[in-house]
Amino acid sequence: EDQVTQSPEALRLQEGESSSLNCSYTVSGLRGLFWYRQDPGKGPEFLFTLYSAGEEKEKERLKATLTKKESFLHITAPKPEDSATYLCAARYNFNKFYFGSGTKLNVKP
Amino acid sequence: DSGVTQTPKHLITATGQRVTLRCSPRSGDLSVYWYQQSLDQGLQFLIQYYNGEERAKGNILERFSAQQFPDLHSELNLSSLELGDSALYFCASSATSGSANEQFFGPGTRLTVL
Repeated sequence: EDQVTQSPEALRLQEGESSSLNCSYTVSGLRGLFWYRQDPGKGPEFLFTLYSAGEEKEKERLKATLTKKESFLHITAPKPEDSATYLCAARYNFNKFYFGSGTKLNVKP
Repeated sequence: DSGVTQTPKHLITATGQRVTLRCSPRSGDLSVYWYQQSLDQGLQFLIQYYNGEERAKGNILERFSAQQFPDLHSELNLSSLELGDSALYFCASSATSGSANEQFFGPGTRLTVL
């Protein structure tokens, strides 16, 4: 079955301490890889879409990259307001979407 | 604010009952997606509609059904409710049927089955 796996489950960083979140996915039939941010009790908020290996996209302190079997969300010099759960999702053939279980990021001042 | 609205915000009901959740997509969006998010299962794709027609099906139970109306709003019907159906139900919309456009999520409906 198609699968998306995220690691780590939780990450605690000091403000300014850069790190990366990982998302591995089943390769066959991939049509797009998505990153979302979710705050407690709210709907996910779209961040990036990646389509092909080598692709990179940036937004403020976040940069998403895609390899042939993994995607990374790099967070540079994070701030407390970056604290949230980051979700990775993959779209496969026939428009099926699968979400990872997320990485809960906590940035301490 | 994503522009996607969902009603009601909260719903408390009993096992065996039937409920209807409603979603209005962003203006101009033709696709609507339904998701279930529970603590142990994460975010699960249920079903997608595009311009009134079913486009993709995920892990949707037979007790659940959905439809999209001519004005593009969508309803998710959950029947013979069980305790395990308690979850956050999200609706999302996108401009087209494919994934080229990102999905914009609503605030969700929290369903509690007692």
